[in-house]
Amino acid sequence: NAGVTQTPKFQVLKTGQSMTLQCAQDMNHNSMYWYRQDPGMGLRLIYYSASEGTTDKGEVPNGYNVSRLNKREFSLRLESAAPSQTSVYFCASKPGQSTDTQYFGPGTRLTVL
Amino acid sequence: DQQVKQNSPSLSVQEGRISILNCDYTNSMFDYFLWYKKYPAEGPTFLISISSIKDKNEDGRFTVFLNKSAKHLSRHIVPSQPGDSAVYFCAASDDTNAGKSTFGDGTTLTVKP
Repeated sequence: NAGVTQTPKFQVLKTGQSMTLQCAQDMNHNSMYWYRQDPGMGLRLIYYSASEGTTDKGEVPNGYNVSRLNKREFSLRLESAAPSQTSVYFCASKPGQSTDTQYFGPGTRLTVL
Repeated sequence: DQQVKQNSPSLSVQEGRISILNCDYTNSMFDYFLWYKKYPAEGPTFLISISSIKDKNEDGRFTVFLNKSAKHLSRHIVPSQPGDSAVYFCAASDDTNAGKSTFGDGTTLTVKP
């Protein structure tokens, strides 16, 4: 039981390049989330998927797209990376929409030059 | 407007003493509060939660207090241990908002031996 896994762990991009961050969970959770954490700040929600087949914008969605590929996988895509997107990205999941605990992946550290 | 605030970016205490981490919120719709712990290069992990119908929740060395009238919660660690050194995030959510959580900016706790 690996919990929530994220790939890659580290990535360096040039401005304008695109990439997809992958997230998978093996806990049969319905809801999945993407956050970013900038230095000295808390986690800000980018997008979330309350259940398979649905996605919704969070607090800071601009410049990102997501795909809930199936119940296990939730990917985050940067179409044209910008230096302002340099951050640590965390994926999380939880059993349902009710206010229970989120389980986080180890994070992806992204640098955009 | 930041809905969840942790006004102390850092806290340093001596081993064996009490650590008190504070969190304030502004949204009266929040009805569930959680504390997460984060080590460097890892994702946050859940510690303890409290529902708005309670004013206290204990788990061993850790106690969470909720003061709804003041919109304030705190987490006490007694006695503090060096292994407690980490970044602590409080988060708040409400059942009407797809279970999304709003996070504070975190407090870095250092417990000195």
